[in-house]
Amino acid sequence: EIVLTQSPGTLSLSPGERASLSCRASQSISSRYLAWYQQKPGQAPRLLIYGASSRATGIPDRFSGSGSGTDFTLTISRLEPEDFAVYYCQQYGDSPALTFGGGTKVDIK
Amino acid sequence: QLQLQESGPGLVKPSETLSLTCTVSGGSISSRSHYWGWIRQPPGKGLEWIGSIYYSGITYYTPSLKSRVTISVDTSKNQFSLKLSSVTAADTALYYCARQSTDWNLDYWGQGTLVTVSS
Repeated sequence: EIVLTQSPGTLSLSPGERASLSCRASQSISSRYLAWYQQKPGQAPRLLIYGASSRATGIPDRFSGSGSGTDFTLTISRLEPEDFAVYYCQQYGDSPALTFGGGTKVDIK
Repeated sequence: QLQLQESGPGLVKPSETLSLTCTVSGGSISSRSHYWGWIRQPPGKGLEWIGSIYYSGITYYTPSLKSRVTISVDTSKNQFSLKLSSVTAADTALYYCARQSTDWNLDYWGQGTLVTVSS
């Protein structure tokens, strides 16, 4: 089973700052099967990025995804107040198995 | 607008079977472009995929739960269901249903339903 490790566990930033979240896979995965989600308290996760770099419908362009192989990054160019949340990466691999990373919490500094 | 809604008991006794249903509205569960999945989240913890089903009945399960999980689909009711047997306190979680693309991302989610395992 492929393990996704997200870092840092918590990122403390101010509105307007740039956020870079890392997702590292225990073995190489296809970019096609790498996604990112945002989850706010009391809400279901929301798909942000699929295929490593494609924004889902309605997602603002301040969110971008990049990476390949084992290293992937979600970047929020300028944090808005509504962006403070927990972010998860997710991949599909052999087994078949869909797995999530442990999450990165972006909180207000 | 596609909507998914989970339903089922919020309290299940240890060793019994957890049963949940997801009702899909605003779209057809018989879509050939999508699967339908269950995901859970223990309180204060991360997300765990349980399994997915295609409208034809093809299923995929996470290896760690495979021996206890059954996912089924009822296309006439536009619903799919989850059964998890022999539950313990470790199965206490918020259970979500979601639509899954053929690239295995989850683009529509239900609001989630909390299931507590306790006597």
